[in-house]
Amino acid sequence: GAVVSQHPSWVICKSGTSVKIECRSLDFQATTMFWYRQFPKQSLMLMATSNEGSKATYEQGVEKDKFLINHASLTLSTLTVTSAHPEDSSFYICSAVWTVGNQPQHFGDGTRLSIL
Amino acid sequence: DQQVKQNSPSLSVQEGRISILNCDYTNSMFDYFLWYKKYPAEGPTFLISISSIKDKNEDGRFTVFLNKSAKHLSLHIVPSQPGDSAVYFCAAASGGGADGLTFGKGTHLIIQP
Repeated sequence: GAVVSQHPSWVICKSGTSVKIECRSLDFQATTMFWYRQFPKQSLMLMATSNEGSKATYEQGVEKDKFLINHASLTLSTLTVTSAHPEDSSFYICSAVWTVGNQPQHFGDGTRLSIL
Repeated sequence: DQQVKQNSPSLSVQEGRISILNCDYTNSMFDYFLWYKKYPAEGPTFLISISSIKDKNEDGRFTVFLNKSAKHLSLHIVPSQPGDSAVYFCAAASGGGADGLTFGKGTHLIIQP
């Protein structure tokens, strides 16, 4: 089946640090990648949609200058949390789809981000 | 305002019996629905999906039913097995998924031996 790899799986860092999370589709070319965030006891919430070679589309309420997304190739998207603060602590997870049109998204295993 | 609702946080079913997980949605623009299974410390794994032009889709032990008029879908697992114990998420999308998925909060299914 389709495999999506996400790295790192766990990050603990000091307030003010920038953190980069990588999302790779290992066995398919992803036309679109998505970034989600999950707070405790909440649903996965879509943060942004990323298409290769173009700017990401952010959901309402998500700061694009805070959460930088780069989708440089069909197999790699990165999310950088800039100047992270404790309120940014969350579970971040990416997904990828090889073509849009009633195709399931395949998810990475997520990144647990803890800001001290 | 939650557009996808899973009203049962948990469900306990005896091994071998049928598990029925329910999901309701409010957005009539949703046209593609999916079920994902999630174990702790792992990402969601795709189980089964259904488009709005169908009312049933079956894959092995898993069947998804869609009632568009009621804005309701359900996942049936039969027979339930111990390995089915996990959190199940219902998700919905519009435009064939181009705009990302909207998830419910999940239902923790516990299969008892």
